[in-house]
Amino acid sequence: KAGVTQTPRYLIKTRGQQVTLSCSPISGHRSVSWYQQTPGQGLQFLFEYFSETQRNKGNFPGRFSGRQFSNSRSEMNVSTLELGDSALYLCASSSDGIRSTGELFFGEGSRLTVL
Amino acid sequence: SQQGEEDPQALSIQEGENATMNCSYKTSINNLQWYRQNSGRGLVHLILIRSNEREKHSGRLRVTLDTSKKSSSLLITASRAADTASYFCATARLVLQKLVFGQGTRLTINP
Repeated sequence: KAGVTQTPRYLIKTRGQQVTLSCSPISGHRSVSWYQQTPGQGLQFLFEYFSETQRNKGNFPGRFSGRQFSNSRSEMNVSTLELGDSALYLCASSSDGIRSTGELFFGEGSRLTVL
Repeated sequence: SQQGEEDPQALSIQEGENATMNCSYKTSINNLQWYRQNSGRGLVHLILIRSNEREKHSGRLRVTLDTSKKSSSLLITASRAADTASYFCATARLVLQKLVFGQGTRLTINP
């Protein structure tokens, strides 16, 4: 089985731009979660999607948004980029159904640098 | 805010020695999980221990959970250079429907 695939792996943007990151979960997994990892804040939960519906959301501003498609692939978008958005964005999929507390399978991440 | 807090923040030992990392949390949990992250890469799930379990083994890994003290420990026996990584505990509470990660312990195994 192929693992979780995130694209792009690296990208550089300037302040004020927007960015879209993509995540393809493991085949058969319907839950996709997104995390932001920075040296100062660690791993922060962004949101989780299950069967195209946002099931949970972290404490991030509205500039951070996401969606999930019918094939479970997910995208997250950050608009009006700020320097502080520079981070490793990690996507994780899970085979969980009703519950979202089982093992997560992570992708390699998308490293975003905002200049 | 982080639910789990790992201790120590960094640990450096010689190859062959055992490494112990601790995780404390604040509220009741359904399960606790440990993950490993090699530098700048994605996280890899190591082990999950449920709230009604006290100890679990997987290869060279041993995890304990003490719900009365709200703490867990991860023991890696006979460490190898390849064990060099950051280790994170993550707590799961059904009511939150998500995993909350600690800040991690950076483990360095010296050859």
